[in-house]
Amino acid sequence: DAGVIQSPRHEVTEMGQEVTLRCKPISGHDYLFWYRQTMMRGLELLIYFNNNVPIDDSGMPEDRFSAKMPNASFSTLKIQPSEPRDSAVYFCASSSDRGGRETQYFGPGTRLLVL
Amino acid sequence: AQSVTQLGSHVSVSEGALVLLRCNYSSSVPPYLFWYVQYPNQGLQLLLKYTSAATLVKGINGFEAEFKKSETSFHLTKPSAHMSDAAEYFCAVSDRYNFNKFYFGSGTKLNVKP
Repeated sequence: DAGVIQSPRHEVTEMGQEVTLRCKPISGHDYLFWYRQTMMRGLELLIYFNNNVPIDDSGMPEDRFSAKMPNASFSTLKIQPSEPRDSAVYFCASSSDRGGRETQYFGPGTRLLVL
Repeated sequence: AQSVTQLGSHVSVSEGALVLLRCNYSSSVPPYLFWYVQYPNQGLQLLLKYTSAATLVKGINGFEAEFKKSETSFHLTKPSAHMSDAAEYFCAVSDRYNFNKFYFGSGTKLNVKP
């Protein structure tokens, strides 16, 4: 299994530009999570999906952020317009639904820098 | 919401010494607990997890953790540190109502001195 795949691995963009981060979860996993990691705030859960349906987006910082999961093998996190304070590492993780006993498997992350 | 407290954002030990990384959780119901490790420029990798079976949990790379309900703790230990253990370690707890939702601690960076 290739694990959770994220692209791009690095993204540098200018303030105001649209940024799209992509994630392919592990095949067969029912849950997909988007996290943001910064020095100041640590690891924050932004949103998660179950069977392609958003369940909890309470961690999404503001309307500039949106996430979709059109099918079981693909999800996107979009920031429009981007701001310098969005600079962070964004992780995608997936897990299977066995009452929480299952591990969340993390992708390698996308390092975003907004200038 | 649940919360996780990791005491000590940085811990430094000598190679061969005991590693002790502390984690306390807030929950009135014993949750599921996890330790993850993050190496530089990589994603998080599971070390071990407690899911209400044995209170002493053994993980990969010689790490283990003990669930102590009375102390609401889940400290991570390793008898003898190796240089390759230098990384950042995160404790996580599952939400009491939605076990699939995790709350992560702020992390502890482990430095291993030769």
